[in-house]
Amino acid sequence: EMQLVESGGDLVQPGRSLRLSCTASGFKFGDYAMSWVRQAPGKGLEWVGFIKSKPYGGTTEYAASVKGRFTISRDDSRSIAYLQMNSLKAEDTAVYYCSRDIIEAKATSMVYRYYYYMDVWGNGTTVTVSS
Amino acid sequence: DIQLTQSPSTLSASVGDRVTITCRASQSVSSWLAWYQQKPGTAPKLLIYKASNLQSGVPSRFSGSGSGTEFTLTISSLQPDDFATYYCQQYSSYSSRTFGQGTKVEIK
Repeated sequence: EMQLVESGGDLVQPGRSLRLSCTASGFKFGDYAMSWVRQAPGKGLEWVGFIKSKPYGGTTEYAASVKGRFTISRDDSRSIAYLQMNSLKAEDTAVYYCSRDIIEAKATSMVYRYYYYMDVWGNGTTVTVSS
Repeated sequence: DIQLTQSPSTLSASVGDRVTITCRASQSVSSWLAWYQQKPGTAPKLLIYKASNLQSGVPSRFSGSGSGTEFTLTISSLQPDDFATYYCQQYSSYSSRTFGQGTKVEIK
C-alpha cells in the first residue's frame, strides 16, 4: 500500500526555523516528484512547492509566498522528502501535506513539456507559528 | 499566476441529487486540471485528473468535463459519503500550481 507520513510539525516562534519530513513507502520513491501543500486553519489549499525526481533533474519550484524562505530536498536512499522552513511567519501556520506527483508528458514542436498532478497524499503535520 | 474561481462556494443538496460544480480559470489551462475531495480533518483525495479522467478507485458517479478556462465536476447521484469540500487545481504551469477556493457540499 502506498503511504506518505509527514512529521516534524510543532509550535515555533516567529523568525525561527523548522524542518518537516515526509516518509514514503509502498512505491519506488526515487521515480517520483514530490510536492508540499499547506492549509491554513479554516482556509483552502495552497501549493507550496515541489522537487522533481533525479532523472528529471531533481530541481525545485516554489510558490511566491515561500520562495527564498523554504527549501525542499530529498533523500532517495531513505525515501524521505524534506521541507526546510526558515524565517517563519504567523501566516505560515497551517497543516502541511506532502504528496506524490504524477508526471504527464506532451510533445510540442521540438521538445516535451511536463505536467505534474498530485495523486497520493499524507495525513499532514501541523505547524503553528506564534510567540 | 493563474486564478481559479469555483462556483458556488456552498451547495446544499439531498441524497440522490445531481450536483454540478464549476471552476473557471483566469487564462487557458488546456486540460491540465484536477479535482480533489476533502473531508474535515483528512487529506485531499484525487478524483479527476486531466479534466475528465477518473482516478482509479473513484466511483463512476463522479465525472469531469471542460477545457481551456471552464470546467465542471458532476456527481450524478449524491451519496451520503459525498458531503465534503471539493477543490479544482490547475497544473498547466508546474512552477505555479493553484487551487480554487473550494466548494462545500452540505446536506439540505
